[in-house]
Amino acid sequence: DGGITQSPKYLFRKEGQNVTLSCEQNLNHDAMYWYRQDPGQGLRLIYYSQIVNDFQKGDIAEGYSVSREKKESFPLTVTSAQKNPTAFYLCASTRGDLTYNEQFFGPGTRLTVL
Amino acid sequence: GEDVEQSLFLSVREGDSSVINCTYTDSSSTYLYWYKQEPGAGLQLLTYIFSNMDMKQDQRLTVLLNKKDKHLSLRIADTQTGDSAIYFCAESRPTNAGKSTFGDGTTLTVKP
Repeated sequence: DGGITQSPKYLFRKEGQNVTLSCEQNLNHDAMYWYRQDPGQGLRLIYYSQIVNDFQKGDIAEGYSVSREKKESFPLTVTSAQKNPTAFYLCASTRGDLTYNEQFFGPGTRLTVL
Repeated sequence: GEDVEQSLFLSVREGDSSVINCTYTDSSSTYLYWYKQEPGAGLQLLTYIFSNMDMKQDQRLTVLLNKKDKHLSLRIADTQTGDSAIYFCAESRPTNAGKSTFGDGTTLTVKP
């Protein structure tokens, strides 16, 4: 079955540490996205990538970094520069059409800073 | 700028109909979507509507689109406790580089 996976499901980080969240898809999708979800605030776009080896900042990129070395993979690193990283992180992918943009979401990673 | 707005909460009784509303600001929106998110999970597409349509029906779901007022609604008939979730409205258009703009989500609570 094709789909999108995220790991780990739960992640705990001490202040000052960098952590990397994994996102993998086997849907052969060109575009991938990272969102942050806080209670009552919906989804906020962190980074997105429309093609391998290229990515763009979203609305809240500060304190985060990404890479897109393979079509299937789009890892997100939460750096120590992110002052309030505790949140639910969602990865998504799409075919990359400019009009129809159905997003396929992973199950999410809940990051807690101790 | 682009914006999608929804009311935050809706509570209904089991068996009643639920109507979740959404407004958007960009008239060039091409597709509009409804996603469902269950607790602790990712979003799943429920249905979508193309901007030149007024209505789309899919089993218990009815989507109504009023382009003039930029208003989208999702009606769930015979609402069940399993429909309790957060529902997100979203839109996409060619000028947004393949991205979607999401509302903040409406939390639907279905009481037995």
